[in-house]
Amino acid sequence: GENVEQHPSTLSVQEGDSAVIKCTYSDSASNYFPWYKQELGKRPQLIIDIRSNVGEKKDQRIAVTLNKTAKHFSLHITETQPEDSAVYFCATRGGGGSQGNLIFGKGTKLSVKP
Amino acid sequence: DGGITQSPKYLFRKEGQNVTLSCEQNLNHDAMYWYRQDPGQGLRLIYYSQIVNDFQKGDIAEGYSVSREKKESFPLTVTSAQKNPTAFYLCASSGRQLSYNEQFFGPGTRLTVL
Repeated sequence: GENVEQHPSTLSVQEGDSAVIKCTYSDSASNYFPWYKQELGKRPQLIIDIRSNVGEKKDQRIAVTLNKTAKHFSLHITETQPEDSAVYFCATRGGGGSQGNLIFGKGTKLSVKP
Repeated sequence: DGGITQSPKYLFRKEGQNVTLSCEQNLNHDAMYWYRQDPGQGLRLIYYSQIVNDFQKGDIAEGYSVSREKKESFPLTVTSAQKNPTAFYLCASSGRQLSYNEQFFGPGTRLTVL
């Protein structure tokens, strides 16, 4: 079945620096790649997503890039702020055989130091 | 944060007891999901339902059961057969499962076995 690897598991940056989180996937039929942010003790919330027919998508300080050939996609956060501190999860949605369920990476704990 | 609710927020269970976690949504979503979250393990799918009176096992269904008698409700029962039930349980819902629709998460239930 589909497998999603997420790196790094922890990431610490200084406020104002950029942060990059990378995920690789195995199912070439995957067609949807969302990123979720989970603050401590709260529910995961979608922050950005990308479909397989797009290579890059940007929303203010966050962006996602997709390389279908290499089967990896990345989350980029620029000008990080302390409120960006959270656990970030990538996910993929596979082809029809997977019933369209999301497969999540194990998460990256981002700490932004003021 | 409205739209999908879970109760209770905290639940304590003695060994050998069955407990039921509630999940309700008023988003008119067809699909509903249950995930288990353990530290460093990401989100793992327990059960999902695409339509009323139908549901399928996810990756870790052993020791769990669900029902989907109403579109708005998708309760999860943790049975005594689940050997390690202490975890954070998240319910989610989305529009049509095979579309790109976002999954919305509930606030979660933290289950502890005493």
